[in-house]
Amino acid sequence: EPEVTQTPSHQVTQMGQEVILRCVPISNHLYFYWYRQILGQKVEFLVSFYNNEISEKSEIFDDQFSVERPDGSNFTLKIRSTKLEDSAMYFCASSETVGQMYTEAFFGQGTRLTVV
Amino acid sequence: AQSVTQLDSHVSVSEGTPVLLRCNYSSSYSPSLFWYVQHPNKGLQLLLKYTSAATLVKGINGFEAEFKKSETSFHLTKPSAHMSDAAEYFCVVSDGTNAGKSTFGDGTTLTVKP
Repeated sequence: EPEVTQTPSHQVTQMGQEVILRCVPISNHLYFYWYRQILGQKVEFLVSFYNNEISEKSEIFDDQFSVERPDGSNFTLKIRSTKLEDSAMYFCASSETVGQMYTEAFFGQGTRLTVV
Repeated sequence: AQSVTQLDSHVSVSEGTPVLLRCNYSSSYSPSLFWYVQHPNKGLQLLLKYTSAATLVKGINGFEAEFKKSETSFHLTKPSAHMSDAAEYFCVVSDGTNAGKSTFGDGTTLTVKP
């Protein structure tokens, strides 16, 4: 069964450092997303991406964040200068649409980011 | 705008007894609704989805949910709990207009006692 894969599963970084989280969406999907889940809190939408541009972003997704689809298969989330409060589980997801209907998003296993 | 409320943060049942996890939603449009499960230190797995077809939706592992528009509810049920059902469950709504943006509920932790 096709799946979304994320690497690494766990990343530890020092405050102020740049970090790149990587995702390989399902190959025929066209919509890509990042969500995050701070420990003990709900899953929050960060950004959606379609046709090589951001479709929508939340207020969390400030100038420190960026997304890219560098090579047609990977989808990355970059945090330029990490803060302690960026520590969270980050989920990548992808989906396709059938006409105007949105199909379910397939989620990766997540990358646990720990900022120290 | 869309939102979802999971009415119970924790539910505890005995093995073999029924499970009910409650979810109410709000959406300006015809929503798609999903239930995901997250086992400890694991990713999110889709249990079932509603996308304006049959109102009673059957999912994996014996779970099902009923879409009730008049009550704006999408409660998740299972006739008989198994120890392996112990996990975090998320109700998710998407109204399909924001390029698939989903809104998650706060989650319900299901504990299954032997």
